[in-house]
Amino acid sequence: AQKVTQAQTEISVVEKEDVTLDCVYETRDTTYYLFWYKQPPSGELVFLIRRNSFDEQNEISGRYSWNFQKSTSSFNFTITASQVVDSAVYFCALTHRQGAQKLVFGQGTRLTINP
Amino acid sequence: EPEVTQTPSHQVTQMGQEVILRCVPISNHLYFYWYRQILGQKVEFLVSFYNNEISEKSEIFDDQFSVERPDGSNFTLKIRSTKLEDSAMYFCASSPGTGTNNQPQHFGDGTRLSIL
Repeated sequence: AQKVTQAQTEISVVEKEDVTLDCVYETRDTTYYLFWYKQPPSGELVFLIRRNSFDEQNEISGRYSWNFQKSTSSFNFTITASQVVDSAVYFCALTHRQGAQKLVFGQGTRLTINP
Repeated sequence: EPEVTQTPSHQVTQMGQEVILRCVPISNHLYFYWYRQILGQKVEFLVSFYNNEISEKSEIFDDQFSVERPDGSNFTLKIRSTKLEDSAMYFCASSPGTGTNNQPQHFGDGTRLSIL
């Protein structure tokens, strides 16, 4: 079975602080994909990143960076110099095979950036 | 950039009534999905659809639910006799193709379904 755990239910920081959102996953598959989605207060789901299980390189996109470590089954997300617009619920998700893969989501982390 | 569109954005229905949620996936995508999110909870998979048939469904997707692709563009979710616990945000998603090109899933903005 596949499972995604986001242990941090809510995080609140002051603007310009760095913040890391944790994601731990479980899967028996050797090939899988990991994702982060952002859900702003307006409710839509916005795709942020995909990472496949064979690529453990960290990725940076502007103020966002992702740290994928297979040894600890973690795929953590860091926002550097946070801004109020980063306030949202962030979901980590996993798919476990090719074809019509279903996404298995974590519970989400509500991030609040205070001015 | 092409996007998944869902209508209506908000649907209010009496318990026991049938409801149809509509989605227009991205035009060249081959896989279609429905997910739901009960308020304050995580996003849960309902069903995936490929080549005009269901490829996978969850335990939530019982006999009260059905999906259909009535034409070349629309993808619908029908709930036959709604219950209070069906109140949720329903998201449609689509993805492009097979193998490693089959991600990511692009989501619509959702339909908020309220059952009274």
